[in-house]
Order: sequence, then C-alpha cells, then structure tokens
Amino acid sequence: DGGITQSPKYLFRKEGQNVTLSCEQNLNHDAMYWYRQDPGQGLRLIYYSQIVNDFQKGDIAEGYSVSREKKESFPLTVTSAQKNPTAFYLCASTPQKGQASAFFGQGTRLTVV
Amino acid sequence: DAKTTQPNSMESNEEEPVHLPCNHSTISGTDYIHWYRQLPSQGPEYVIHGLTSNVNNRMASLAIAEDRKSSTLILHRATLRDAAVYYCILRGAGGSNYKLTFGKGTLLTVNP
Repeated sequence: DGGITQSPKYLFRKEGQNVTLSCEQNLNHDAMYWYRQDPGQGLRLIYYSQIVNDFQKGDIAEGYSVSREKKESFPLTVTSAQKNPTAFYLCASTPQKGQASAFFGQGTRLTVV
Repeated sequence: DAKTTQPNSMESNEEEPVHLPCNHSTISGTDYIHWYRQLPSQGPEYVIHGLTSNVNNRMASLAIAEDRKSSTLILHRATLRDAAVYYCILRGAGGSNYKLTFGKGTLLTVNP
C-alpha cells in the first residue's frame, strides 16, 4: 500500500542531544513537509522540500535541520539549539500540482527530558 | 501566503448537520480551497477540495461562495467519529511555491 511512514511513534531524548526523525513515502510525491504541533495548537511549518537536494525554511526552522538526498526520504534533525523540542512532529507529502491533496504520516511524539 | 480564518470551536449534536465556515478574503484566482481534519493524536487527513463549484464526496460537501471569499464544509449527519479539528487551507495550482501552511483550525465537538 502506498503511504507515508514516520518512525518512531514515540521518542525520548535527554536535553542537549540531537535526534533525527524519519519520514519515508512511497507515493512518488515530489514535495515533502515537516510540521510541529504543540498541545491545543495548529500545525506550524518547519521545513519543506519541493525536489531532491533542495529545501526551504518554513515559519519555525530555527533549531532544526533537514536533508533530501532521495525523493522518498526527508529526515528531520532536532538539534540541541532548539529550545523547546518536546512536541508532536508531523511529516506530509504532496504531488507538485497545487490542487492535489496532501498525505500525512501518523506523527512522532518527541519528549526531551 | 493567502490566509484563512476559522472559528476556534463549534459544537453539534449527533445526527444533525454541521456547517463549518472559512473566510479567505485574499484568495487568488488559482487557489484551491482544501479541507483536512485531524483526530486526536493522529496526522491530518484530506476531506475535500474545490476551486469554484460546490463539491460533494462520501465524507462531506463543500459550498464555495460566488466571490470565493468564503467557503463552508458541510457534514450532513454528524457522528461521534467526526469530532476533530478541521483545517481550511488554500493551495496554489501552479507556480514554483509549494509552501503548505495551516492555521489553528476549528475544533468540532459532537454531543451524543
């Protein structure tokens, strides 16, 4: 089945450690996105990528980094520079056409202690 | 980015219709109106989208104002499983910018 997979579902890390969240899609979508969601809040865009080896900052990119070496993969690294990393992280992908719908993964809940 | 405005929350009773409004007064001629919903602790899922004409699918209906500055998502008979946060967003059909941004959405509560 085609879809978008995030792993792991739950992740715990100690403060000061970098952590990488995985996002893989087999939908052959060109564009991929990372969002952060805090309790009771909407989705805030961290980074997005429209093609391989290219990505753009979203609204809250500070403290995060991404790579897009393969079309199907868009990992997100939460660095120690991110002041409040505990959150629910969502990955999405879409075909290039704007009228097409986006598909989301089930999310990774990161807790930093 | 073209912005959308939605009420923070709405309440409905089970088996009654629900009309969720969205204002998008700065919409451009090539922007599609998309609706997504998010159940607790899950990723959002696509509900429906449209450009100018009203749209129906198995999940909902989308009514678009003639001037396209507002739209309404219609759930014909709300069920408890429809309790979720509903997001209205705009997506351009062309160009080079594929930025996809969400607001806070509308939290729909369905009473039994």
